[in-house]
Amino acid sequence: GAVVSQHPSRVICKSGTSVKIECRSLDFQATTMFWYRQFPKKSLMLMATSNEGSKATYEQGVEKDKFLINHASLTLSTLTVTSAHPEDSSFYICSARPTLSYGYTFGSGTRLTVV
Amino acid sequence: AQTVTQSQPEMSVQEAETVTLSCTYDTSESDYYLFWYKQPPSRQMILVIRQEAYKQQNATENRFSVNFQKAAKSFSLKISDSQLGDAAMYFCAYRPINTGTASKLTFGTGTRLQVTL
Repeated sequence: GAVVSQHPSRVICKSGTSVKIECRSLDFQATTMFWYRQFPKKSLMLMATSNEGSKATYEQGVEKDKFLINHASLTLSTLTVTSAHPEDSSFYICSARPTLSYGYTFGSGTRLTVV
Repeated sequence: AQTVTQSQPEMSVQEAETVTLSCTYDTSESDYYLFWYKQPPSRQMILVIRQEAYKQQNATENRFSVNFQKAAKSFSLKISDSQLGDAAMYFCAYRPINTGTASKLTFGTGTRLQVTL
């Protein structure tokens, strides 16, 4: 079945630095990928829709300059958390849907801790 | 805007018993998909079951089945013969049908299922 690979699974960074999270579709092409943020014991909150070859579409309230999204190829989208602060600590998940599939495939998530 | 509501933050079931998780949604669309996703402690999202709104027959996948009531906009998940491995967070989700691969999933707030011996 369709697989989405997300790396790293865990990252700890210092406040003020930037962190890049990668999301790859391994066996299908994804013109669109989705980035979610999940707080402990909460639901997934859609942050942005990543579009191959064009700008990402951000949800209301999400800072575009803090959460930079790049979707340079049909199999790779990246989320960069810039100038990270402790409040950016969270669980980030990406997903994509193969063209002929009903459902979405999710990456395994990245736990970001900013110290 | 579409909304998905899960009114049960937590549920508990004994092993081998049956449990039903509730989900209601609101949409003005006539065609759409509904899903139940499972998120175990590993936090990997796993698709449990899906339902196409244009199908009257309720979807089933082994021990998992749904009760889809389109008029009532209700989509409950029944887990039969519960197993310890079923313990997880369960999310109900909705997506419109005709917007290609860019169509967004709308998630409910989730129900945490505990399975006891």
